[in-house]
Amino acid sequence: GAVVSQHPSWVICKSGTSVKIECRSLDFQATTMFWYRQFPKQSLMLMATSNEGSKATYEQGVEKDKFLINHASLTLSTLTVTSAHPEDSSFYICSASPRVAGVWETQYFGPGTRLLVL
Amino acid sequence: DAKTTQPNSMESNEEEPVHLPCNHSTISGTDYIHWYRQLPSQGPEYVIHGLTSNVNNRMASLAIAEDRKSSTLILHRATLRDAAVYYCILRDANNYGQNFVFGPGTRLSVLP
Repeated sequence: GAVVSQHPSWVICKSGTSVKIECRSLDFQATTMFWYRQFPKQSLMLMATSNEGSKATYEQGVEKDKFLINHASLTLSTLTVTSAHPEDSSFYICSASPRVAGVWETQYFGPGTRLLVL
Repeated sequence: DAKTTQPNSMESNEEEPVHLPCNHSTISGTDYIHWYRQLPSQGPEYVIHGLTSNVNNRMASLAIAEDRKSSTLILHRATLRDAAVYYCILRDANNYGQNFVFGPGTRLSVLP
């Protein structure tokens, strides 16, 4: 299947600093990528939809000025957590969907990035 | 989005088959049924998906009811590595911009 990578796999930072997470589709182009967040013992929650060449669409309750998304190419989307605070500590996961035979059948997820803000 | 319902948890013995059910009574004609699983501290892993017919791959089988209102993921011989949270998700294949909506899933425990 298609491969989606994330970097870094984990990061520890001090409160108030900014952290950038990269999401890459390695063997396909993705005009749309999705960013999820998962807190312990909970399911994945969609944060935003990242669109290549245009502004991201954020879910209700997600601050767009705090979680900056840039989708500059068809294989790369970045999520920057600005002025991170301990409550931003979470598992961040991206996903993308290749187009097969004219339809977008399924999505492939990255391995996730564990963020710990001290 | 059409919703799915799954049992919160299931238990299986190692090397026995496991049948994970999913109900999706409001499924539409263009909704694909997807199954993913998530191991601890990892991103969701694709397992299988289908539209109307039963599907088999190296990981599992997907049995879809004739009316498509329910489906069952079948692991033919459970191993300890199959212990994970399994998610059943519907997604319209014609809507590229539609994300996957994750419910709580079924937490599968595999006993040695």
